Amino acid sequence: QVQLVQSGAEVKKPGASVKVSCKASGYTFTSYGISWVRQAPGQGLEWMGWISAYNGNTNYAQKLQGRVTMTTDTSTSTAYMELRSLRSDDTAVYYCARVMGGWFDPWGQGTLVTVSS
Amino acid sequence: SYVLTQPPSVSVAPGKTARITCGGNNIGSKSVHWYQQKPGQAPVLVIYYDSDRPSGIPERFSGSNSGNTATLTISRVEAGDEADYYCQVWDSSSDQGVFGTGTKVTVL
Repeated sequence: QVQLVQSGAEVKKPGASVKVSCKASGYTFTSYGISWVRQAPGQGLEWMGWISAYNGNTNYAQKLQGRVTMTTDTSTSTAYMELRSLRSDDTAVYYCARVMGGWFDPWGQGTLVTVSS
Repeated sequence: SYVLTQPPSVSVAPGKTARITCGGNNIGSKSVHWYQQKPGQAPVLVIYYDSDRPSGIPERFSGSNSGNTATLTISRVEAGDEADYYCQVWDSSSDQGVFGTGTKVTVL
């Protein structure tokens, strides 16, 4: 079955960077894109950006431009999301999701990133 | 950027019908997708392309989209339907995903 499995929880200090991985299985990785979505505690879903696993093209949410980088490793069917210059308001659960015809399915289990001094 | 507005909460008795709205400028010209998120879990797709159901989603979930409002309808509501629901579109002008503000459905 189609599955996305993410890396484990992270605790980072303000100003540091974090890199979250998302390993795909059960489908041809390069046939779909991967989006990243985050959810701050008690808040709604925020779209962060997406990457084409076919050619590596990316598009990021404007508010994260310059701090986020999304990449893929097609040899291991894994997508990565790196966020730099972390702040306390970056504390959130980060999800990866396969991009279908404009919708997201399935989603990874989520990775909690806590930014605290 | 494109904005999607949902009511913060909807309450419904078991066996009744819940309707969750998603408002956006001329949203009827876009494809709307809906997700269910239960506490501590990742979102799950329940409706795509306005009204299509993924396999495994009960027929009790349906969707519509016209004008400035899209609607997710849950018929014969069950206790297990209690969750947060989010609408979503793909804004082709910016090539970006957009989520609604989310609606908490409470089963009385």
